[in-house]
Amino acid sequence: SQQGEEDPQALSIQEGENATMNCSYKTSINNLQWYRQNSGRGLVHLILIRSNEREKHSGRLRVTLDTSKKSSSLLITASRAADTASYFCATSKGSGNTGKLIFGQGTTLQVKP
Amino acid sequence: DAGITQSPRYKITETGRQVTLMCHQTWSHSYMFWYRQDLGHGLRLIYYSAAADITDKGEVPDGYVVSRSKTENFPLTLESATRSQTSVYFCASRVPGLTTDTQYFGPGTRLTVL
Repeated sequence: SQQGEEDPQALSIQEGENATMNCSYKTSINNLQWYRQNSGRGLVHLILIRSNEREKHSGRLRVTLDTSKKSSSLLITASRAADTASYFCATSKGSGNTGKLIFGQGTTLQVKP
Repeated sequence: DAGITQSPRYKITETGRQVTLMCHQTWSHSYMFWYRQDLGHGLRLIYYSAAADITDKGEVPDGYVVSRSKTENFPLTLESATRSQTSVYFCASRVPGLTTDTQYFGPGTRLTVL
């Protein structure tokens, strides 16, 4: 079964607005990552937040992590049409650090110009 | 070019045929992974490899075989393709280091089994 569940499944906003997507997971983790997938392409790593971190920023991206609620959120500020893509959270929990990731089903974001 | 490549990008085959999907990376990353992506299921791990000659099953390994004779190559074989294996397949490699699990993905192979 999938570790991560994402919400909403689809999101449509206007350019310039902020986009927030959420990810919940079931078991303890070492870190949580967010990836972007443009249509017909492979996934691209966006940001990683470790289990002992609560918030992280990278450019227009802000990620929060609440381990007590087993949830994370990805905020994209001042969205652009080029942000249109699917966004996936992925969790890593391996002791022994195999690096295996478990992906959520993704949020499809459409940013209208 | 450096990076991770997959071939073919598109493949149509028939039920029962053997198909091999190729994955090549130029970074010498130890870990490599195969995923399939289907609507409603996200990405699911098929097999992964920690190093040459070391492979292990993921979440959905049935019907697939992998090998890793060289660090840079990680082919995925469907021994007898079935319609349920119609999917988009992604290969990935992991950035080395104990403190990061970041993965780099190839562009994917879209496989259709008729």
